[in-house]
Amino acid sequence: EAAVTQSPRNKVTVTGGNVTLSCRQTNSHNYMYWYRQDTGHGLRLIHYSYGAGNLQIGDVPDGYKATRTTQEDFFLLLELASPSQTSLYFCASSSGPSNERLFFGHGTKLSVL
Amino acid sequence: AQSVTQPDARVTVSEGASLQLRCKYSSSVTPYLFWYVQYPRQGLQLLLKYYSGDPVVQGVNGFEAEFSKSNSSFHLRKASVHWSDSAVYFCAVSLYNNNAPRFGAGTKLTVKP
Repeated sequence: EAAVTQSPRNKVTVTGGNVTLSCRQTNSHNYMYWYRQDTGHGLRLIHYSYGAGNLQIGDVPDGYKATRTTQEDFFLLLELASPSQTSLYFCASSSGPSNERLFFGHGTKLSVL
Repeated sequence: AQSVTQPDARVTVSEGASLQLRCKYSSSVTPYLFWYVQYPRQGLQLLLKYYSGDPVVQGVNGFEAEFSKSNSSFHLRKASVHWSDSAVYFCAVSLYNNNAPRFGAGTKLTVKP
């Protein structure tokens, strides 16, 4: 079973604060994704990556940067956090594009006060 | 681009009853289709997926889904639900060309004892 580990599990910050969410997968997957989950919207795609150094823009990228430093590690950066970014964030990975299942982490609950 | 709609935000059924959760997709070509389940404070787990072949696909824990090209639908079914099936269910769609999966808003299923 693929393992995707997110840290921290919970984070509280203030408006304008700087936040980094971390994701590590240990199954040699090339594809990694960041989603946010909000009631009424389901999961919305923020950024994704096909491999180390590659970044693709998702559907709700405003206010977020991402960096894929290695095949294992994918980071989501909020440089000026706003209350609208209060959400549950999920990282996922897959072995291939499109038709392969996603393996999800347990999520990071972020509160921006 | 593709999109997916889950018209029912909440569904309540009695234990032992049959279940159908609805999913409609929008795509110019037949996409890859998935159903995932999310238990409280966990990431999503794959139930089943479809791309081609028999329109009825079997998944884990007695779930199945039926693809209909004419209706652009991929409804999830179960013949007899158990209280442990209470969870949030997400339909997802992706295209074949290295496309990241997009998710519906989810349906929260409550199974009454």
